[in-house]
Amino acid sequence: DVKVTQSSRYLVKRTGEKVFLECVQDMDHENMFWYRQDPGLGLRLIYFSYDVKMKEKGDIPEGYSVSREKKERFSLILESASTNQTSMYLCASRTGASSPLHFGNGTRLTVT
Amino acid sequence: DQQVKQNSPSLSVQEGRISILNCDYTNSMFDYFLWYKKYPAEGPTFLISISSIKDKNEDGRFTVFLNKSAKHLSLHIVPSQPGDSAVYFCAASVSGTYKYIFGTGTRLKVLA
Repeated sequence: DVKVTQSSRYLVKRTGEKVFLECVQDMDHENMFWYRQDPGLGLRLIYFSYDVKMKEKGDIPEGYSVSREKKERFSLILESASTNQTSMYLCASRTGASSPLHFGNGTRLTVT
Repeated sequence: DQQVKQNSPSLSVQEGRISILNCDYTNSMFDYFLWYKKYPAEGPTFLISISSIKDKNEDGRFTVFLNKSAKHLSLHIVPSQPGDSAVYFCAASVSGTYKYIFGTGTRLKVLA
């Protein structure tokens, strides 16, 4: 079974802090994703990584950056957290194109 | 513009009966479709997928139907069980891309 692990389930940060969300997958998947989920908006793609050190912007990359130094690990960075980044963040991975995404359990981030 | 729509925010069904969850899409380029189930405080779990070369795919109690001319897909759960109570998301993708467009979800409640 694919396991995608997000390091924190809940985080509370202050406005202006730099925030790191970590994600690790154990299935040697090439592709990894960061989404955020907000009520009424579904899941929206922040960033996608198709290989180590390779990334593509998703639909809402503003205010975020990512890092993928190792195949199994994909980090989402909020350079200066703002209250509108309060959300549920979901990491996912997949083997390749036209295959299902496998999600972690999410990190609920609150920025005060 | 919401390319994938789940028009029913909620659905209640008696245990043992059929649950039918619906999803409409607008982009005719979509050719890979997925259904996910999400329990509170967990990430979405992949249920079943279908490629546009098929019009039906079954996996145990779950069947997905695709009507390309109507740009409509549905998930049938037979028989429904209380443990099926969750939020169900449909998603659509264009093969070979990294973009998955998610609906906003339908909350299914199976009544014992």
